[in-house]
Amino acid sequence: GNSVTQMEGPVTLSEEAFLTINCTYTATGYPSLFWYVQYPGEGLQLLLKATKADDKGSNKGFEATYRKETTSFHLEKGSVQVSDSAVYFCALGNAGGTSYGKLTFGQGTILTVHP
Amino acid sequence: DTGVSQDPRHKITKRGQNVTFRCDPISEHNRLYWYRQTLGQGPEFLTYFQNEAQLEKSRLLSDRFSAERPKGSFSTLEIQRTEQGDSAMYLCASSLAPGSSYSETQYFGPGTRLLVL
Repeated sequence: GNSVTQMEGPVTLSEEAFLTINCTYTATGYPSLFWYVQYPGEGLQLLLKATKADDKGSNKGFEATYRKETTSFHLEKGSVQVSDSAVYFCALGNAGGTSYGKLTFGQGTILTVHP
Repeated sequence: DTGVSQDPRHKITKRGQNVTFRCDPISEHNRLYWYRQTLGQGPEFLTYFQNEAQLEKSRLLSDRFSAERPKGSFSTLEIQRTEQGDSAMYLCASSLAPGSSYSETQYFGPGTRLLVL
């Protein structure tokens, strides 16, 4: 079945540092890929998505590129801020059949950014 | 657009009691999903509806769990004879269904945190 593996956390960075959170997946077909973010005390919010190979999703300075050849969707940001401290989840959307659209999540990566 | 709402936000119950959670999706969304999230883990799929039809149930959903969406709008998730292992955050999400205006994006509610003592 489908699965998503995220890099182990937590990740602690200083403000303005470069961020990479690795995400790899196993899936049948051509799934869509997502990054969701969960700020303290809040629900899951979509951060960015990509629906086909080589697509780049971007939002709020974050980027991720759908790499079919390496089955990866790594999240990057060039300069993190304290306000980026949150839990980040990589997710895969089923490509078809009765489960079309169902999300499979990674285990999440806790990011803490210090001033 | 008021977003996805869930009620209650927190529930503490004793083992063996029944609990029911409600989810109100975004009004024009015809798909509704339930997920469960335990501490330190990502959400796990439980079940989903398209309109009032329940199209898939995870093997995680034991016989003690039942979900309904009677008029294709709000949904309820009931857990009978709760166990301590049911303690988790229960998340609801909604989206449009595949079609001409389909967007796979699921919008999540704030969740209901259940603690079974």
